[in-house]
Amino acid sequence: AQTVTQSQPEMSVQEAETVTLSCTYDTSESNYYLFWYKQPPSRQMILVIRQEAYKQQNATENRFSVNFQKAAKSFSLKISDSQLGDTAMYFCASGHSGAGSYQLTFGKGTKLSVIP
Amino acid sequence: NAGVMQNPRHLVRRRGQEARLRCSPMKGHSHVYWYRQLPEEGLKFMVYLQKENIIDESGMPKERFSAEFPKEGPSILRIQQVVRGDSAAYFCAGGLASYNEQFFGPGTRLTVL
Repeated sequence: AQTVTQSQPEMSVQEAETVTLSCTYDTSESNYYLFWYKQPPSRQMILVIRQEAYKQQNATENRFSVNFQKAAKSFSLKISDSQLGDTAMYFCASGHSGAGSYQLTFGKGTKLSVIP
Repeated sequence: NAGVMQNPRHLVRRRGQEARLRCSPMKGHSHVYWYRQLPEEGLKFMVYLQKENIIDESGMPKERFSAEFPKEGPSILRIQQVVRGDSAAYFCAGGLASYNEQFFGPGTRLTVL
């Protein structure tokens, strides 16, 4: 079974500053994927960034980047130049292709508030 | 290019009634996942379906819950005899058989009175 832990229930950051959200996971799988999803007040789940575990290079998407530490099973999300629209719940998730199912396991989320 | 569609967006039921939640994945996507999000929680996997097949229902409660994805039409998550504890947001995600293409719908918020 996979577990995902987000130890920061809430965080805040000043607009234009940088913030890092923490995530640790546990899995016995050798082939797995890691994700960060954003859930704004509209509650739509939006994929922010994806990392394949076999890739050593950290994924980046514009202002969003990850610090993937495979040995430590850590997968943190860095948001640079924070914008008001970044205010949302952020969920870390992991997944693997066990028994032909690509189900995702989510953490409990971190509520991020960007302060003007 | 419509995204994943779920309807209704909001559903209110009284205890003991049935709830039917629908999910239409994007055109060409033949895989559907259902997740449930309780208040202040992350999403929890319920069931994974391909057209006309249930592939993995390990997260589905054994009683009152069922899901289908027929050859034609949307995937349906059915909850019989709803109880207050079923109140949650139900999300479906559609895609192909890989992590490169898994897109979430806007969710259905079920409230049981």
